[in-house]
Amino acid sequence: ELKVEQNPLFLSMQEGKNYTIYCNYSTTSDRLYWYRQDPGKSLESLFVLLSNGAVKQEGRLMASLDTKARLSTLHITAAVHDLSATYFCAVVPSGGSQGNLIFGKGTKLSVKP
Amino acid sequence: DTEVTQTPKHLVMGMTNKKSLKCEQHMGHRAMYWYKQKAKKPPELMFVYSYEKLSINESVPSRFSPECPNSSLLNLHLHALQPEDSALYLCASSQDRVGDTQYFGPGTRLTVL
Repeated sequence: ELKVEQNPLFLSMQEGKNYTIYCNYSTTSDRLYWYRQDPGKSLESLFVLLSNGAVKQEGRLMASLDTKARLSTLHITAAVHDLSATYFCAVVPSGGSQGNLIFGKGTKLSVKP
Repeated sequence: DTEVTQTPKHLVMGMTNKKSLKCEQHMGHRAMYWYKQKAKKPPELMFVYSYEKLSINESVPSRFSPECPNSSLLNLHLHALQPEDSALYLCASSQDRVGDTQYFGPGTRLTVL
């Protein structure tokens, strides 16, 4: 059974600082997603990572994937308050049936002035 | 149009009521999903429809009954729910391939009294 672990689960940052969220998964995966969720809102797709070494960047967020280590990172550069949200990674296990997204528990990010 | 819509936004119902949640997408996606999300938890997959046929039912109690009238619409019929069923119910859609990015609707906040 595929397990997805994120850490930290809670992250309080100051504006302007850098930090990294980690996502480990236990078995091989076809692809990995990062989603953002604001309180009481739906999930917004941020990145999809398809292959080993994949790196994607959007604004102050950069995601990478190491399939050999079964690890993805979400790096935050020079954080701003608007990035405060919960970030989920989600994994599709190799050979998994359609729609079988396995989510991590989420990282609640709070960026303070 | 990259939007998934859901109605109603909020629903309060008694344990003897029958109600339905509705989801619609006009992106030409052929896979649609229902998720349940409890507070401060990740989404949990309930059902997957692929080409209007139920392909995954994650051991959901029979008091939840999905329906896919056509490729753009997805319903979730609710009957005899329990208070512990109170949650955010999210609909999502994706193109027809395994692991395609799922786009989420805004959700229905359900409260069962």
